[in-house]
Amino acid sequence: DAGITQSPRHKVTETGTPVTLRCHQTENHRYMYWYRQDPGHGLRLIHYSYGVKDTDKGEVSDGYSVSRSKTEDFLLTLESATSSQTSVYFCAISESWTGDEKLFFGSGTQLSVL
Amino acid sequence: GENVEQHPSTLSVQEGDSAVIKCTYSDSASNYFPWYKQELGKRPQLIIDIRSNVGEKKDQRIAVTLNKTAKHFSLHITETQPEDSAVYFCAANGGSARQLTFGSGTQLTVLP
Repeated sequence: DAGITQSPRHKVTETGTPVTLRCHQTENHRYMYWYRQDPGHGLRLIHYSYGVKDTDKGEVSDGYSVSRSKTEDFLLTLESATSSQTSVYFCAISESWTGDEKLFFGSGTQLSVL
Repeated sequence: GENVEQHPSTLSVQEGDSAVIKCTYSDSASNYFPWYKQELGKRPQLIIDIRSNVGEKKDQRIAVTLNKTAKHFSLHITETQPEDSAVYFCAANGGSARQLTFGSGTQLTVLP
């Protein structure tokens, strides 16, 4: 498996609190992604990064922000968590543009917003 | 943007039988179509992919076919085994950002 570590693996938080999820890679891949997985919706792209400090929005970016200050780290922040953000969050990396390149996923973070 | 529809949402087959999962996509510019397998509690992992310059690709018991005219592609699993039980996701790389859009997933159960 590619060297991708997500933390925390599980988190329970309350509505209105800020939450930050971390993705750390040891593969030196340029591209990093955050997806959320919900029943009936598959995997939906939240944000992605194509380099240090270079990020862009995905399909479901409202309520989320990201930062990438180092190649190896990609942070996802929920500024004020809502119950609709209860989900499993996956980080992924790819060596080149995901449009035609294999994605390697992390183990996921189960987030519950009460 | 891209829209990917996947059917069926659940599929049960007897061990040894074949399984077929179908996906349609909306953006004719899509040219990369991967399939990911996710076992219970695990991360999604790529099992096979196909590019628009070929119509079929095989890897042992799994195969993928692509019909660009109809804008659909399918995953075929032959001689199914219990370890094939998982959720399978298709994806396509259409849309202005050329990012992968995933289907909603198919829960495949192989019955012994």
